[in-house]
Amino acid sequence: NAGVTQTPKFQVLKTGQSMTLQCAQDMNHEYMSWYRQDPGMGLRLIHYSVGAGITDQGEVPNGYNVSRSTTEDFPLRLLSAAPSQTSVYFCASSYKAGSSYNSPLHFGNGTRLTVT
Amino acid sequence: DQQVKQNSPSLSVQEGRISILNCDYTNSMFDYFLWYKKYPAEGPTFLISISSIKDKNEDGRFTVFLNKSAKHLSLHIVPSQPGDSAVYFCAASSAETSGSRLTFGEGTQLTVNP
Repeated sequence: NAGVTQTPKFQVLKTGQSMTLQCAQDMNHEYMSWYRQDPGMGLRLIHYSVGAGITDQGEVPNGYNVSRSTTEDFPLRLLSAAPSQTSVYFCASSYKAGSSYNSPLHFGNGTRLTVT
Repeated sequence: DQQVKQNSPSLSVQEGRISILNCDYTNSMFDYFLWYKKYPAEGPTFLISISSIKDKNEDGRFTVFLNKSAKHLSLHIVPSQPGDSAVYFCAASSAETSGSRLTFGEGTQLTVNP
């Protein structure tokens, strides 16, 4: 089992460029989410999905889009990159939505994004 | 508005001694709390959790204590080992959002010195 796989590991963008961060899980997890980690701010929820075809906004959704066409994949799209989106991005999944009680999040190893 | 706060950015302890990491929260709707551990260049990994119906949960060297009246939880690691050196994140969720939204603290860097 690969678990949660994120690509790329590193990315440099210029302001205004768009890109997609990929996330795939092979554990048949229903719930998937995206977090960003910034110094002194912990991890903040961007978007999440409780199942294929269903997505919702988290704490800091502006400037990001998501879709969930399959159970396995949950890509995060930056529409027009800004320096404020420089961060480390983590994708996470768990067996069932709302199951933090018995099914903690499994995280990928992150994508380090720099926007110049 | 930081609903989960870890006020100590760093903590340094000697190998074999106890490490105590603290976490405070402000949202009284939180009813489930978790600790994650993160090594550099890796994603966080789940360590231990506690439901609000309990005040203590133990797993080997790791114990989490919850004081609901003070809205405070702590993670005790005893004895501490050099391999425990990592960033520790406290997180909380509520049944109000069906546990689908975890709120994380800022993290505490633990260094265990041999």
